[in-house]
Amino acid sequence: EVQLLDSGGGLVQPGGSLRLSCAASGFTFNNYAMTWVRQAPGKGLEWVSSISSSGGNTYYTDSIKGRFTISRDNSKNTLYLQMNNLRAEDTALYYCAKDRDPVGPTRFFGYYFDYWGQGTLVTVSS
Amino acid sequence: EIVLIQSPATLSLSPGERATLSCRASQSVSSYLAWYQQKPGQAPRLLIYGASNRATGIPARFSGSGSGTDFTLTISSLEPEDFAVYYCQQRTNWPPLTFGGGTKVEIK
Repeated sequence: EVQLLDSGGGLVQPGGSLRLSCAASGFTFNNYAMTWVRQAPGKGLEWVSSISSSGGNTYYTDSIKGRFTISRDNSKNTLYLQMNNLRAEDTALYYCAKDRDPVGPTRFFGYYFDYWGQGTLVTVSS
Repeated sequence: EIVLIQSPATLSLSPGERATLSCRASQSVSSYLAWYQQKPGQAPRLLIYGASNRATGIPARFSGSGSGTDFTLTISSLEPEDFAVYYCQQRTNWPPLTFGGGTKVEIK
């Protein structure tokens, strides 16, 4: 059974840092790209960042570039999001999500997400 | 950036009725569009991928259609558990990967 367990959220002051983790099980982690998606309270879904299966390709939404870093440890089946210089507008529930399709010879990323973590809440407030 | 516009924002229907949700893209995404369902306090769940393919375990009352810029999610006969928020999503021309703003299907 595929499981994604998000953790690491909490209350942090503006300018502070947090590291989110997503522990994966039930599938061959190093065959799949992974993604972070966030949802501000009462709002819709927003893509945050994606990483290829090897970790060699990473992408970020503009509002977090230079502040957040996505990474993965395939030996530990774990995805990370290092969040620095946090702002009030980063307050959200953060989900990790697994690509539906494994990587291919010429494709680093799929198009869809078939499993999601339960989310971890990040609150940025003084 | 490809913008996905979902309509209506809210759909008020009764159990047993048919629901028709729309997602319009600002430029073509071919058939690379997904639909997700999200219930309160839960993570999103993949319903439809490739515009018209049901994900594993999704009931046949859910169907998707469309290509290019116009897409539709249809729920043929609403069950009580179908009242939720639905999002469309694309990752054809990215970054950024984008989601629509969502359609809430509520009980009338």
